[in-house]
Amino acid sequence: AQKVTQAQTEISVVEKEDVTLDCVYETRDTTYYLFWYKQPPSGELVFLIRRNSFDEQNEISGRYSWNFQKSTSSFNFTITASQVVDSAVYFCALLTLYNQGGKLIFGQGTELSVKP
Amino acid sequence: SQTIHQWPATLVQPVGSPLSLECTVEGTSNPNLYWYRQAAGRGLQLLFYSVGIGQISSEVPQNLSASRPQDRQFILSSKKLLLSDSGFYLCAWSVRVADTQYFGPGTRLTVL
Repeated sequence: AQKVTQAQTEISVVEKEDVTLDCVYETRDTTYYLFWYKQPPSGELVFLIRRNSFDEQNEISGRYSWNFQKSTSSFNFTITASQVVDSAVYFCALLTLYNQGGKLIFGQGTELSVKP
Repeated sequence: SQTIHQWPATLVQPVGSPLSLECTVEGTSNPNLYWYRQAAGRGLQLLFYSVGIGQISSEVPQNLSASRPQDRQFILSSKKLLLSDSGFYLCAWSVRVADTQYFGPGTRLTVL
């Protein structure tokens, strides 16, 4: 079965702290794609990053970094020196392909609150 | 660049009334289109997807239906709304099925 688990429902940090959001996935596919999206209070889902199953290189983009480990089926997201603007719900998602379509399987999301 | 629009932004409808939500994409041709629903409690669920005009695949058979009358237009409909149809409806597009899906601003529907 395809499944994404974000065990942390809510995280609260103080500005400038580092924070890691955990994501564990399950899939039987040999080729798959993982994503992180940010959902600010306005509601729109904002794409952050995509990772293909055959590319385990970690990635850094400014204060954001992602650690992809196939051995543990994890795709964790770290925010360094968090800021109030980082407050949002963050979703990890797995893209599964079938019936000519692509279906995103989302985790339940982690609500991050960054306090000044 | 590509942009995706949804309207209306918010909607309050009585139980039993019809529904029509619209999604349009600009700046690309023959996109794959998707409707997701986010119920209270955050879970996002795929409702319908379309790989071309007139081609609709349903994920969750229920009170809703979808149509794609034009290449870049995707419509979500219902003949009679239920209380359980309340939620946040998001439209998304991608170039190909394995590509990143980009989401619209969403429609918040409340059924009373």
